[in-house]
Amino acid sequence: GQQVMQIPQYQHVQEGEDFTTYCNSSTTLSNIQWYKQRPGGHPVFLIQLVKSGEVKKQKRLTFQFGEAKKNSSLHITATQTTDVGTYFCAGPSSGGGADGLTFGKGTHLIIQP
Amino acid sequence: NAGVTQTPKFRVLKTGQSMTLLCAQDMNHEYMYWYRQDPGMGLRLIHYSVGEGTTAKGEVPDGYNVSRLKKQNFLLGLESAAPSQTSVYFCASRRDTGVTYEQYFGPGTRLTVT
Repeated sequence: GQQVMQIPQYQHVQEGEDFTTYCNSSTTLSNIQWYKQRPGGHPVFLIQLVKSGEVKKQKRLTFQFGEAKKNSSLHITATQTTDVGTYFCAGPSSGGGADGLTFGKGTHLIIQP
Repeated sequence: NAGVTQTPKFRVLKTGQSMTLLCAQDMNHEYMYWYRQDPGMGLRLIHYSVGEGTTAKGEVPDGYNVSRLKKQNFLLGLESAAPSQTSVYFCASRRDTGVTYEQYFGPGTRLTVT
């Protein structure tokens, strides 16, 4: 079945440093989504990428979708304590996405003040 | 709008007991999902529904049953709980736009089976 792999599993940074998490799928994806989960919370949708090579920015967050639509990355510039949490990438389980998402295992971002 | 709500928030069961987790959404979404989240495993899809009266199996359906009698509710049942079902359960829903696939998650139910 489809697999979505994410690295690193944990990332410790000093506040103000940059952070990047990488996502790779075993199959070509029609789209990829990114979610953030704060400690003790639930996943919250950040963004969806659809086009090959697409780059989207949200303030300090930059999301990229690979040319082959099998990989993606999330980059945070100048991390802040509010960025703490686990970042998940997710792709449609199969077909058009009606049947749920396959999530990566997530990257835990830990920020040291 | 309350969004997606889940009850209960916490539950402790003994092995062999049964229970039902309730998910409700007030956004008139067609699609609803149940995921479980275990440490280091990310979220895994248990069952899903694409509309009232329909359900389908996800990645890890064994030991669970679901029902969607009303569009706004999606129930997850454990007939005979096992310690391996200790997990955090999240319900999610999404609109059928054919373009965006954003899922809205509930706050979760933390279940412990002893």
